[in-house]
Amino acid sequence: GAVVSQHPSWVICKSGTSVKIECRSLDFQATTMFWYRQFPKQSLMLMATSNEGSKATYEQGVEKDKFLINHASLTLSTLTVTSAHPEDSSFYICSAQNAGASGSDEQFFGPGTRLTVL
Amino acid sequence: AQKITQTQPGMFVQEKEAVTLDCTYDTSDPSYGLFWYKQPSSGEMIFLIYQGSYDQQNATEGRYSLNFQKARKSANLVISASQLGDSAMYFCAMREGRGYQKVTFGTGTKLQVIP
Repeated sequence: GAVVSQHPSWVICKSGTSVKIECRSLDFQATTMFWYRQFPKQSLMLMATSNEGSKATYEQGVEKDKFLINHASLTLSTLTVTSAHPEDSSFYICSAQNAGASGSDEQFFGPGTRLTVL
Repeated sequence: AQKITQTQPGMFVQEKEAVTLDCTYDTSDPSYGLFWYKQPSSGEMIFLIYQGSYDQQNATEGRYSLNFQKARKSANLVISASQLGDSAMYFCAMREGRGYQKVTFGTGTKLQVIP
């Protein structure tokens, strides 16, 4: 199956700093990637849809100036949490769809990044 | 209205028994896809099974099968011969339309397999 990686796996940062999370599709091209946030014991909530070469589409209630998304290539999307605060502490998961595949339109998920803001 | 509803916050099942995890969905789009994912304590999302709205037969993948009842808008996951390693959170999800559409997740069901 297709592999999606995320880096870092976990990060602890001080309040007010910015954190960048990378999402890479390792063995396929992904024109579209999705960023989710998951709070403890809750479901995944879609934050934004990242499209290669264009601006991301943010879900209602997600601050685009706080969560900067860049999808500069077919294999890499980045999420930058700017001026992070403790309430931004969460599990961030990306997923990618294989641009060349047919069938289930399956989304392949990264292993997630656990962000803790002190 | 919730697009994906999972009414079972938690379930217990005896090892080697079968278990059904419920999922109902709501959409007016004739083209949609339904997914089930497993999330162990490590956090990774593991794809289990997929059912397309136009698929005539219920999807099966090894010990996983999807009981797709289109008229009732339900897509229950059946796990046969439960194993201890099946203990995890299970999420039902739906993609509306075709192509690169976002996926909406249910609230999940925590399954615990008892030895």
